[in-house]
Amino acid sequence: DGGITQSPKYLFRKEGQNVTLSCEQNLNHDAMYWYRQDPGQGLRLIYYSQIVNDFQKGDIAEGYSVSREKKESFPLTVTSAQKNPTAFYLCASSIDAGAYPYNEQFFGPGTRLTVL
Amino acid sequence: AQSVSQHNHHVILSEAASLELGCNYSYGGTVNLFWYVQYPGQHLQLLLKYFSGDPLVKGIKGFEAEFIKSKFSFNLRKPSVQWSDTAEYFCAVKNNAGNMLTFGGGTRLMVKP
Repeated sequence: DGGITQSPKYLFRKEGQNVTLSCEQNLNHDAMYWYRQDPGQGLRLIYYSQIVNDFQKGDIAEGYSVSREKKESFPLTVTSAQKNPTAFYLCASSIDAGAYPYNEQFFGPGTRLTVL
Repeated sequence: AQSVSQHNHHVILSEAASLELGCNYSYGGTVNLFWYVQYPGQHLQLLLKYFSGDPLVKGIKGFEAEFIKSKFSFNLRKPSVQWSDTAEYFCAVKNNAGNMLTFGGGTRLMVKP
């Protein structure tokens, strides 16, 4: 069953702790993305990766880090430097980041992170 | 930088009412346009998309959207909503100068049975 999995679904952390969110895809997609969803603000791009071992900052990368060591995995670390980390985080992937139809993005179920 | 505006943040309708959700974007060049839907507790999924050709695009579940280039708009419509259409709807734009999607703030639709 192909798709994108994110774990865990809910995550609680204490302020000042780093936390890593998992994103795995078995769609053989080259491009992967991380978004943050806040009420009334839609989805904002944190980081994206067009190919293994390469990634670029999105609109709100400060306080986050990523790695892309394997094609199927794109973990996101929320560091203690992120001032307001409580949010819903969505991972997505596409065949590549170029033109239609290859850039159509498919989304995972999301992880809701709450920092106490 | 491009931006996407969805002016209706919350919409409440009765079943069988007609729906129109507004979406305006700021980029002046060639764009690809999308509407995504997020049903309660479910993944974000693509509702419909426009890349080229006929500006009236039909999507799943009876939804359609019209691209009006002169108005920089891509409004979503459905002639008769159902309770199962209760969800959050997001408009998104990708311009041909970049690889990334820019999302609007979303519209929460509640359909009363």
